[in-house]
Amino acid sequence: KQEVTQIPAALSVPEGENLVLNCSFTDSAIYNLQWFRQDPGKGLTSLLLIQSSQREQTSGRLNASLDKSSGRSTLYIAASQPGDSATYLCALTDSWGKLQFGAGTQVVVTP
Amino acid sequence: GAVVSQHPSWVICKSGTSVKIECRSLDFQATTMFWYRQFPKQSLMLMATSNEGSKATYEQGVEKDKFLINHASLTLSTLTVTSAHPEDSSFYICSASRGSRQPQHFGDGTRLSIL
Repeated sequence: KQEVTQIPAALSVPEGENLVLNCSFTDSAIYNLQWFRQDPGKGLTSLLLIQSSQREQTSGRLNASLDKSSGRSTLYIAASQPGDSATYLCALTDSWGKLQFGAGTQVVVTP
Repeated sequence: GAVVSQHPSWVICKSGTSVKIECRSLDFQATTMFWYRQFPKQSLMLMATSNEGSKATYEQGVEKDKFLINHASLTLSTLTVTSAHPEDSSFYICSASRGSRQPQHFGDGTRLSIL
């Protein structure tokens, strides 16, 4: 059974610092991996999607890497801003199209 | 594009009542819709997968007679929590996709509180 772990569970940084969020998984037979953002009491916003054949994806200040062999993905957020404060979730898509989520990393960026 | 609307956003009701939550894809046809539940400080857990016109497939441990799912059209799926009890209080989120392995687009969730 796939297990998805996100470390740390919570992170607080001053504005301007770079953020590094980690996601690990136990089964490398994945279809793709996604990073989502969730604001309090809200649904999910997709940030980046990495296909299983890819190593990384970039969008603006965000960069996500994928290493299937070691079962790891890392989300980098450059020059953090208070508006980046949210919970970040990684999720793996299996061959059936189902998403399995990690528990998330709660990020607070202080002005 | 790919907007998913979920309604209501928040509902409070008495124990024993049934609650219906709607999930609509506003600008695309959703062949597959998913229903998730999220408890505080925990991750999203998949409850069931529904394909338009077919019976929903429930995850292990999810009571299909308690959580009724209908996906009668390509733009609408409903989740009905029957005879709700306080332990059913949670955040319910739906997602919709154009196919089983296509990207999922999420609604804003429904906060359900059972008194």
